[in-house]
Amino acid sequence: GAGVSQSPRYKVAKRGQDVALRCDPISGHVSLFWYQQALGQGPEFLTYFQNEAQLDKSGLPSDRFFAERPEGSVSTLKIQRTQQEDSAVYLCASSSLTGEDEQYFGPGTRLTVT
Amino acid sequence: GENVEQHPSTLSVQEGDSAVIKCTYSDSASNYFPWYKQELGKRPQLIIDIRSNVGEKKDQRIAVTLNKTAKHFSLHITETQPEDSAVYFCAAPNTGNQFYFGTGTSLTVIP
Repeated sequence: GAGVSQSPRYKVAKRGQDVALRCDPISGHVSLFWYQQALGQGPEFLTYFQNEAQLDKSGLPSDRFFAERPEGSVSTLKIQRTQQEDSAVYLCASSSLTGEDEQYFGPGTRLTVT
Repeated sequence: GENVEQHPSTLSVQEGDSAVIKCTYSDSASNYFPWYKQELGKRPQLIIDIRSNVGEKKDQRIAVTLNKTAKHFSLHITETQPEDSAVYFCAAPNTGNQFYFGTGTSLTVIP
């Protein structure tokens, strides 16, 4: 079956532009996570959804970051007024029930802010 | 919140030898501990996980041990092969479904 997919795979944005990153989780998966992975580092938690409810957004680095999952499936991570420090790989993961089940990761979106 | 520390950051072993990677965590309420393997340019993939009601879990050449009292857990890979070369991450959740990952261990298996 299809795994987690993300689009675009690569995004180059000029500083100050807005970007939207999409995640298609595995069908039927309840939980969805967004992570930010800088080069040579582990994934850093950004936010967590259970169905359409955003239960935790404490990892979002600033109010320029916004995530939604309006119908409990596809999720979008939006970054407004991008800054150079936003350059990273953004990973999405889904799990079938709670966060304490296997998380299946997408391939990531590599964002470069110039 | 949770704080996960991982050691060593790099590890080189000869093919056929064992590799051990250790992680410590701070949140005593954590009860699920996965290990992920990430090859260069690829997505992280779960290789093994353990829950707090057991102290050890094994899957062929891979095993994980957990010491809840000391708040540490370890990944053991036996009979290493070149295809085991990758970056390995441990992770632990806090009570709020936030997952904290270690900083990673770059494992190189020398043929």
